[in-house]
Amino acid sequence: QSVLTQPPSVSAAPGQKVTISCSGSSSNIGNNYVSWYQQLPGTAPKLLIYENNKRPSGIPDRFSGSKSGTSATLGITGLQTGDEADYYCGTWDNSLSARVFGTGTKVTVL
Amino acid sequence: EVQLVESGGGLVQPGGSLRLSCAASGFTFSSYAMSWVRQAPGKGLEWVSSISGSDSSPHYADPVKGRFTISRDNSKNTLYLQMNSLRADDTAVYYCAKNDLVVVASHPDYWGQGTLVTVSS
Repeated sequence: QSVLTQPPSVSAAPGQKVTISCSGSSSNIGNNYVSWYQQLPGTAPKLLIYENNKRPSGIPDRFSGSKSGTSATLGITGLQTGDEADYYCGTWDNSLSARVFGTGTKVTVL
Repeated sequence: EVQLVESGGGLVQPGGSLRLSCAASGFTFSSYAMSWVRQAPGKGLEWVSSISGSDSSPHYADPVKGRFTISRDNSKNTLYLQMNSLRADDTAVYYCAKNDLVVVASHPDYWGQGTLVTVSS
């Protein structure tokens, strides 16, 4: 049972924007960096955002991250069909001494 | 280029054992923590274990504590996961991941392609 909660799914038309929330607590998001991963169908997860809002080399600026208190948000602008994937947030939990992942959100491009 | 190649997955009976390996290349292996993350069929990501890059200090998720052992051989650039007393709910794709820093609390930044472990009689 994940300690980070995400909406099961979000959808929007091509070119539009979607946001994905990730809700946690003071033992995880509230006191640690958040990272976001994209998992395309049948492939391994790929790092999209780290340290709340930084993008690895090669990740387009259509992807953005933010954090406020015990919640984090991933934003995707200019939605493309290639963005259809599952997205996961992740962070370290100080109470559990464990890495925790969100429940995952499926993005659908209408 | 960072490369992580898992091996050792397969079909095993309940109560059996399996050892996964992850061959790493493209970075200074001993300078980074490493992790195992699994994904049951149709389910989300679940962290299994991490090991630091310095003193090889291990951390485990509660469901695998006492049954799984993570280790690393820095001379061979290889990460291992020894899995004992396997149960049906251990069935999953197991991913090897490199962490961003030497400490286990850092985030995974590169992932292998995964190896499937199926526990069934």
